[in-house]
Amino acid sequence: DTGVSQDPRHKITKRGQNVTFRCDPISEHNRLYWYRQTLGQGPEFLTYFQNEAQLEKSRLLSDRFSAERPKGSFSTLEIQRTEQGDSAMYLCASSQGLQAYEQYFGPGTRLTVT
Amino acid sequence: SQQGEEDPQALSIQEGENATMNCSYKTSINNLQWYRQNSGRGLVHLILIRSNEREKHSGRLRVTLDTSKKSSSLLITASRAADTASYFCATDAFSGKLTFGKGTLLTVNP
Repeated sequence: DTGVSQDPRHKITKRGQNVTFRCDPISEHNRLYWYRQTLGQGPEFLTYFQNEAQLEKSRLLSDRFSAERPKGSFSTLEIQRTEQGDSAMYLCASSQGLQAYEQYFGPGTRLTVT
Repeated sequence: SQQGEEDPQALSIQEGENATMNCSYKTSINNLQWYRQNSGRGLVHLILIRSNEREKHSGRLRVTLDTSKKSSSLLITASRAADTASYFCATDAFSGKLTFGKGTLLTVNP
């Protein structure tokens, strides 16, 4: 399967702990996006990369959140000092090209902060 | 913040009937996309319509776009139980990032 993969699929953590999620995009897709989705809502944009450059970050992305895409391939999203409000589904997507095209989503990582 | 607003929030129909979902948005867009999400799963891209297009078809899907009214509709014809899912419209305002609505939950009863 050459789709977008995310790891882990589920993560339960205690408040105050740090967590890191990984996303592997479709091979050769130069754009990679992170979204967050809470129950009953649509996904909300967090940040995106074009190759290894982080081009935009949402105001939703507080200082506790950091994302990297060091070699322009996989990406990691780290949340430091997790809070209960961070509980959500974290979705990664990738797309090809410099213009906007359809985005291919991974299965998501469901984070529960207790 | 969410730009698109889908209507209705929930729709329940019988297998074989058509389902129509509407989406309104606020700003100028480059394109509008529709996605499907099965419960607790990732999103699947259905169709993309560019701002200079008015109608697009893909299999049993028909999408219209009215940029003067800032609205779009998704029609699923001859619905099947497997079409049961949440449907989201998403707008791209020339940046590549997508802004999603809250979605329409479609239930197709066998």
